[in-house]
Amino acid sequence: QKEVEQNSGPLSVPEGAIASLNCTYSDRGSQSFFWYRQYSGKSPELIMFIYSNGDKEDGRFTAQLNKASQYVSLLIRDSQPSDSATYLCAPTNYQLIWGAGTKLIIKP
Amino acid sequence: DTGVSQNPRHKITKRGQNVTFRCDPISEHNRLYWYRQTLGQGPEFLTYFQNEAQLEKSRLLSDRFSAERPKGSFSTLEIQRTEQGDSAMYLCASSLAFAADTQYFGPGTRLTVL
Repeated sequence: QKEVEQNSGPLSVPEGAIASLNCTYSDRGSQSFFWYRQYSGKSPELIMFIYSNGDKEDGRFTAQLNKASQYVSLLIRDSQPSDSATYLCAPTNYQLIWGAGTKLIIKP
Repeated sequence: DTGVSQNPRHKITKRGQNVTFRCDPISEHNRLYWYRQTLGQGPEFLTYFQNEAQLEKSRLLSDRFSAERPKGSFSTLEIQRTEQGDSAMYLCASSLAFAADTQYFGPGTRLTVL
């Protein structure tokens, strides 16, 4: 059974701080991952895609993948209240399985 | 590119009634997915199509649920004899069959079964 685990939160972070979101997965065949953001009452939208070990940076967002530890994370620097949302990770080779997501709250 | 559209956006029905939802994917996308999402949960896979072929259907899905994509373009999801437990947001997404399968979601149809 392929599984994706995320801490459901909520994770509360002060504005301007770094928010760290984590995801673990059971399928060693998963080689790359998406991070989606979902605002309350809205649909998920893609924010990042990472396919190799190490870090990938896009603006204030950094995705980190560690295939040996089966662990993927998303860092948000200089957190803004507009980053308050639920963040979902999904392996690209089997996007039919989604984590429950981590609810992030940025406190002004 | 108008994105993925879903209709209706909201549906309220009485227990036991049948409902049908429609999804229009991004025009060049050949994959189409249906998910169900309840509060505090991630999307729960229901089924997906590549062109007109239904390639996978969740084993959790009862026989009351059926989906079609007759011409490989729009898709319909029908729920027969609705139950209160069917109340959820029904999401449709589409993707190309390559390019790492980035899924683009529609706005969803919120179903309330009374």
